[in-house]
Amino acid sequence: EVQLVESGGGLVQPGGSLRLSCAASGFTFSTYWMHWVRQTPGKGLVWVSQINSDGSITTYADSVKGRFTISRDNAKNTLYLQMNSLRAEDTAVYYCTRDQLVRGLRDDAFDMWGQGTMVTVSS
Amino acid sequence: QSVLTQPPSASGTPGQRVTISCSGNSSNTGSNYVYWYQQFPGAAPKLLIYRNNLRPSGVPDRFSGSKSGTSASLAISGLRSEDEADYYCATWDDSLSGRVFGPGTKVTVL
Repeated sequence: EVQLVESGGGLVQPGGSLRLSCAASGFTFSTYWMHWVRQTPGKGLVWVSQINSDGSITTYADSVKGRFTISRDNAKNTLYLQMNSLRAEDTAVYYCTRDQLVRGLRDDAFDMWGQGTMVTVSS
Repeated sequence: QSVLTQPPSASGTPGQRVTISCSGNSSNTGSNYVYWYQQFPGAAPKLLIYRNNLRPSGVPDRFSGSKSGTSASLAISGLRSEDEADYYCATWDDSLSGRVFGPGTKVTVL
């Protein structure tokens, strides 16, 4: 089955750290750019970070730059998000998603999403 | 606060046509493709429209997208009760060097 499954969410104190994982299955993970998108309960979607297919290029939203690190292990078909110096405003459901391939070429559409993992930053 | 603008809500009766707008500027919607996502409460978003007006396999042709200048639109024709959801536009922003989403529009079927 083609799917993305996030894990690693939970309750963490302000200033703390957490690492999210996203396990991919059913497709050739190493050929896709991957992303993290978050959503505060009851609010809209916010793009967090992206990584290219071989892990050599990463980009971050200004709100997380310097605190979050995206990475991937193509041998393990897994995407990661290391989150440090967490703040209350980082509380959200975190989704991993991938860029669509159209005739083998990357397109900016997020065509597959995981179910999300909840991160709560609170004392 | 999003750099894209969407109306917070839209509504219609079954069978009607509803249109949702997504407005940006020259660094985002004006120079890049626009994408649309549908999200039901408690569920992950689903791709509805890509590259301004293309539908992924399985998306009903009641959903259509268009773009002109810095504005894009999603139209739902023949509105059904199961279309009641949140709809988000998205694109790349050249100035921010990142993806951006609109704030979302909640569609209600009266």
